[in-house]
Amino acid sequence: AQSVTQLGSHVSVSEGALVLLRCNYSSSVPPYLFWYVQYPNQGLQLLLKYTSAATLVKGINGFEAEFKKSETSFHLTKPSAHMSDAAEYFCAVSPNQAGTALIFGKGTTLSVSS
Amino acid sequence: ETGVTQSPTHLIKTRGQQVTLRCSSQSGHNTVSWYQQALGQGPQFIFQYYREEENGRGNFPPRFSGLQFPNYSSELNVNALELDDSALYLCASSHSGRGKETQYFGPGTRLLVL
Repeated sequence: AQSVTQLGSHVSVSEGALVLLRCNYSSSVPPYLFWYVQYPNQGLQLLLKYTSAATLVKGINGFEAEFKKSETSFHLTKPSAHMSDAAEYFCAVSPNQAGTALIFGKGTTLSVSS
Repeated sequence: ETGVTQSPTHLIKTRGQQVTLRCSSQSGHNTVSWYQQALGQGPQFIFQYYREEENGRGNFPPRFSGLQFPNYSSELNVNALELDDSALYLCASSHSGRGKETQYFGPGTRLLVL
């Protein structure tokens, strides 16, 4: 069975500070891992995905994530937070590269203060 | 631009009633998935349809059913509504078979069961 755990339900940073959102996965097979962002009253937008091509994955809006098999982690980072980054972030795992039948974590709310 | 649309945007029903939610997939997509997102939680996979056949299901009872039509639009039907069915329902579409599929989410339908 596959699962993901997001550490920290709420993360607060100052504008310009490093963003680090943590995600650990559990999978008996090589996982396909995803990060999604959800703005208030909207659906989910794909930030980036890991499909085994490269361990460091770059996504949209300056976000990136590194797959670390030894730590079973796929943490999301951004060097400098913007106010517009405030949203809910979800880590997810899928049995396929397309990212269907996703299993999501409970989410992390990112707050950015000026 | 995702191109996935859902209707209605909001809906209020009474316990015991039945509801039908609709999703229009992005052009060219042959796979649709439905998710339930309770307040403050990550989305949970309900089921997936590929070329009008259900080909994956999460841990949801049979009163959650679906249809996919030849034009790849989709419906989610929920019978005998319960208070816990109150949630945001998301559909997502993708095209299986091209190798580098990406799944796109619609904005969701918010269902309130009273």
